[in-house]
Amino acid sequence: GAVVSQHPSRVICKSGTSVKIECRSLDFQATTMFWYRQFPKKSLMLMATSNEGSKATYEQGVEKDKFLINHASLTLSTLTVTSAHPEDSSFYICSASRGPTTEAFFGQGTRLTVV
Amino acid sequence: DQQVKQNSPSLSVQEGRISILNCDYTNSMFDYFLWYKKYPAEGPTFLISISSIKDKNEDGRFTVFLNKSAKHLSLHIVPSQPGDSAVYFCAARNSGYALNFGKGTSLLVTP
Repeated sequence: GAVVSQHPSRVICKSGTSVKIECRSLDFQATTMFWYRQFPKKSLMLMATSNEGSKATYEQGVEKDKFLINHASLTLSTLTVTSAHPEDSSFYICSASRGPTTEAFFGQGTRLTVV
Repeated sequence: DQQVKQNSPSLSVQEGRISILNCDYTNSMFDYFLWYKKYPAEGPTFLISISSIKDKNEDGRFTVFLNKSAKHLSLHIVPSQPGDSAVYFCAARNSGYALNFGKGTSLLVTP
C-alpha cells in the first residue's frame, strides 16, 4: 500500500500559540488529502478536504480561520492550529488518496495537547 | 447525524473462532465501503473494501459482506488471532468525497 507520513506524532504547546502538522504522501501523488479529528472514544470526524492548488473545503462547524490548511504540492498538506486552546487538544489524522475513487491511506496521527 | 453506525462498541472472541463486526448505514448514495483497523494513537490501517455493485469481497482471513437492501455490511475474520485485537472502523464513501466513519468496534481476541 501507499505510505502517508504525518509529523509530528506528538506535540505539546502553550495556549495561544500555533502548531503546524504536516502530512506527506511518500510514494504517490495525492490530489486530495483529508484532515480528521478524533475525540476519545469517538469516531473520526472529517474536518476538511484539501485539494492541491485550491482552497480547502471545510465541514460545517469547523472554523477555517482557526484550522488553516494548505495543500501546496501533490505530496504535502499542512494543518495549522492557530491560537490553540486546551479544547483543541485531540488526535488529528490526515489521509491521502490518488483520486476521488481510490482508497485513502492514513498518516500515523498527531496527538496535540494544549496546556 | 451519524450516517454510518457501528452499534456494538466492543466484541470479545476466542482465538480460532470467527469474529463478526457489523455496520449499518443510512445514505443510499454511498458507493464504496471500507474497513479499517486502528491501534491507539495510530492512524487507521486499511483492511478491505467493497464496491456497492458487489455483495462479497474476500482477502485471506477477511471477508466483507454487503447487503444493500438492508444497508448493512459486515466484516468476518476467520480464524481470529490475538493480533487482530484492535478497534475496527467501518467507513463509507459517496463517490469523490471523504469517508464517513462509524464509531468503531473494539475487538478483543483471547487466547
